Amino acid sequence: DVKVTQSSRYLVKRTGEKVFLECVQDMDHENMFWYRQDPGLGLRLIYFSYDVKMKEKGDIPEGYSVSREKKERFSLILESASTNQTSMCLCASGSSGQRRDTQYFGPGTRLTVL
Amino acid sequence: GESVGLHLPTLSVQEGDNSIINCAYSNSASDYFIWYKQESGKGPQFIIDIRSNMDKRQGQRVTVLLNKTVKHLSLQIAATQPGDSAVYFCAENRAGGYQKVTFGTGTKLQVIP
Repeated sequence: DVKVTQSSRYLVKRTGEKVFLECVQDMDHENMFWYRQDPGLGLRLIYFSYDVKMKEKGDIPEGYSVSREKKERFSLILESASTNQTSMCLCASGSSGQRRDTQYFGPGTRLTVL
Repeated sequence: GESVGLHLPTLSVQEGDNSIINCAYSNSASDYFIWYKQESGKGPQFIIDIRSNMDKRQGQRVTVLLNKTVKHLSLQIAATQPGDSAVYFCAENRAGGYQKVTFGTGTKLQVIP
């Protein structure tokens, strides 16, 4: 079974702090994704990566950056957290192979910025 | 998570009955569709998928129907069980590769014992 893990389930930070969320997948997937999930808005793509050291902006990249130094690891960084970044942060991974559009999700990190 | 259920359309179904969850998609060029299930406190899990060259696909207790004419997708769950209580999302593939899918806002399914 595919396993996607995230470094924290719950995180509380203060405005202006730097926040670092890490995601690890064990299926050698090429593609990795960071989403945020908010009530009534569904899942919105922040950033994705299709290879090591490669990244592309999603629909709402403002205020976020990412890092992919190793294939299995994809990090989401908030350089200076703000209250409007309070959300559920979801990481996902997927293959470019046969089931190319299926993504496997981690359990999520509920981020609260005070 | 707990707050995902707020402001979501909710479908309440008696245990043992069949459930039908509907989804309208927007891009007529979408060629691949997926249903995900998200239980409280967990990330979304893949349920079933369908390509645009098909109208119907069946899995274990689940069936997905695709109507391309009206851009409508439905998920049917047979003999609904308490463990089926969750939020269900449809997702469509966007043209352009790299798995850029668009997710719907979700429907909450409540199973009444």
